Amino acid sequence: AQSVAQPEDQVNVAEGNPLTVKCTYSVSGNPYLFWYVQYPNRGLQFLLKYITGDNLVKGSYGFEAEFNKSQTSFHLKKPSALVSDSALYFCAVRDWNSGNTPLVFGKGTRLSVIA
Amino acid sequence: DGGITQSPKYLFRKEGQNVTLSCEQNLNHDAMYWYRQDPGQGLRLIYYSQIVNDFQKGDIAEGYSVSREKKESFPLTVTSAQKNPTAFYLCASSTTSRCYFGAGTRLSVL
Repeated sequence: AQSVAQPEDQVNVAEGNPLTVKCTYSVSGNPYLFWYVQYPNRGLQFLLKYITGDNLVKGSYGFEAEFNKSQTSFHLKKPSALVSDSALYFCAVRDWNSGNTPLVFGKGTRLSVIA
Repeated sequence: DGGITQSPKYLFRKEGQNVTLSCEQNLNHDAMYWYRQDPGQGLRLIYYSQIVNDFQKGDIAEGYSVSREKKESFPLTVTSAQKNPTAFYLCASSTTSRCYFGAGTRLSVL
């Protein structure tokens, strides 16, 4: 079975400081990993994905994530946070070999960037 | 949110009433999904369909029903058997490497 853990319900960071939102995963095979962002009363917007290749993945709005196979982690990072980054962030996983089966999501981490 | 249209944006259900949430996509994807979102619980899978005329139950299918008569459409009916329907409902479609979401429907009980 696949699963995702986001250990922090809330992350607070000052504007201009670096941010990290943590994610660990469990799959039986090789993972497809994703980060999505949600603003209030909106759907999920795609930020970035890891499928294969370089462990450091760059995505939208200056976000990046690092795939670490030994630690089964895929933490989301940004060098300098903006107030507009405040939102709910979801990590998700799918097994390579499972075809088009549903993504499994973490419970989400609320990021608050303080001016 | 592009490519997937959910309607209505807000929906109110009376006691004992069935209501249907619409989801249409123009991305030509085979796979479509319905998720329910409650505060602090993330996204929970209700139903999914990997091909027309076929669908599977997710983790919380009780009190819900779906159909998949056309590739573009995957409506969700919240039946009177669902005793706690108040939530934000998200429809999605996907390729193997990416999932696309609609803007959601917020369902409340009158």
